[in-house]
Amino acid sequence: TQLLEQSPQFLSIQEGENLTVYCNSSSVFSSLQWYRQEPGEGPVLLVTVVTGGEVKKLKRLTFQFGDARKDSSLHITAAQPGDTGLYLCAGVWAEDSNYQLIWGAGTKLIIKP
Amino acid sequence: KAGVTQTPRYLIKTRGQQVTLSCSPISGHRSVSWYQQTPGQGLQFLFEYFSETQRNKGNFPGRFSGRQFSNSRSEMNVSTLELGDSALYLCASSESRSEAFFGQGTRLTVV
Repeated sequence: TQLLEQSPQFLSIQEGENLTVYCNSSSVFSSLQWYRQEPGEGPVLLVTVVTGGEVKKLKRLTFQFGDARKDSSLHITAAQPGDTGLYLCAGVWAEDSNYQLIWGAGTKLIIKP
Repeated sequence: KAGVTQTPRYLIKTRGQQVTLSCSPISGHRSVSWYQQTPGQGLQFLFEYFSETQRNKGNFPGRFSGRQFSNSRSEMNVSTLELGDSALYLCASSESRSEAFFGQGTRLTVV
């Protein structure tokens, strides 16, 4: 059974601070996706990281895929109230014809003005 | 292009009843996946349909079932509802096994 542990589960910080969210697993993933979900909406894909060691930047968000493709992090610089939401990581697991997204439990982020 | 549409948005059912949820994927997307989301549990994969065939299935009891029609629209059914089935049920469609596009979900409350 593939598991993806996401931490922290909850984070409340002041506007302007930096933060990092982690996703860790003992399984190797083909790629890893990060989603953001706002209340009353479904998750929306932010980024997909594919190569071990890959770093992708999306404005103030930096995503990194571990060298062994077992873990990933999301770093937000100078957080803003608009960053508030539920952040979810999803590992793409593919073996033979089987394909699944293995989801972390999510990090509920609140940025206080 | 219209997004993924799920109906109804909210539903209240009594224990023991059954419920059917509907999902219309993005036009051209043939893959539809269903997820259950509860606080603290994240997204739990229910099943995936592709071209009217169930391609993948998660670890849920047989009370949870689904189907997909020739126009790619999908339904999921939960029979003999239990209190623990209360959750947000999300549907996601995709064109290829890359990005999943989610609907707004159906909030099911079992009383």
